Amino acid sequence: DQQVKQNSPSLSVQEGRISILNCDYTNSMFDYFLWYKKYPAEGPTFLISISSIKDKNEDGRFTVFLNKSAKHLSLHIVPSQPGDSAVYFCAASANTDKLIFGTGTRLQVFP
Amino acid sequence: KAGVTQTPRYLIKTRGQQVTLSCSPISGHRSVSWYQQTPGQGLQFLFEYFSETQRNKGNFPGRFSGRQFSNSRSEMNVSTLELGDSALYLCASSSITGTGLYEQYFGPGTRLTVT
Repeated sequence: DQQVKQNSPSLSVQEGRISILNCDYTNSMFDYFLWYKKYPAEGPTFLISISSIKDKNEDGRFTVFLNKSAKHLSLHIVPSQPGDSAVYFCAASANTDKLIFGTGTRLQVFP
Repeated sequence: KAGVTQTPRYLIKTRGQQVTLSCSPISGHRSVSWYQQTPGQGLQFLFEYFSETQRNKGNFPGRFSGRQFSNSRSEMNVSTLELGDSALYLCASSSITGTGLYEQYFGPGTRLTVT
């Protein structure tokens, strides 16, 4: 049972434009949501998180939006840079219980 | 603030041996989680420790065990190593920030190769 889903395995965006990565979840008990960036053979790098009492959190070029009624969250990166090219994972937790990770979206930012 | 550190970074063991991996969390973080990462299975949760107590456990055999010390440092042990235990083992420490955000930071991992 995949509780956290990233339905787009890949995304290609031009440098300078906005990248939007999507994530859906099924467990209504999730109250924390995190986004990670990952390169092969390395650990995930924490980017940004949001709690269920908020619908938006931003940090620099990264903004996360949460729509609880739709059980959907998205990560916006603007402007996108070539260095953003990596695999992005969303993860969810219920009351800081173990993180449940999505399957990842590979983002490629081209010049 | 220093990040999560893991030692050793690389390890080669033979089947049947046992191994101990170490993790030092970010200062002030009391929760430490361990994950196994393999190309085929992705990131799989092993267990989580909070204040020296195992709070959560994933679906791994009893050969995988861990502990946490009073200074929040954690170790995980794998006994009777099998070839399939070859993986990147990641440690993560987490906390709730003053603004109510949950953050979990990963270390660089220990690459274990079992021959």
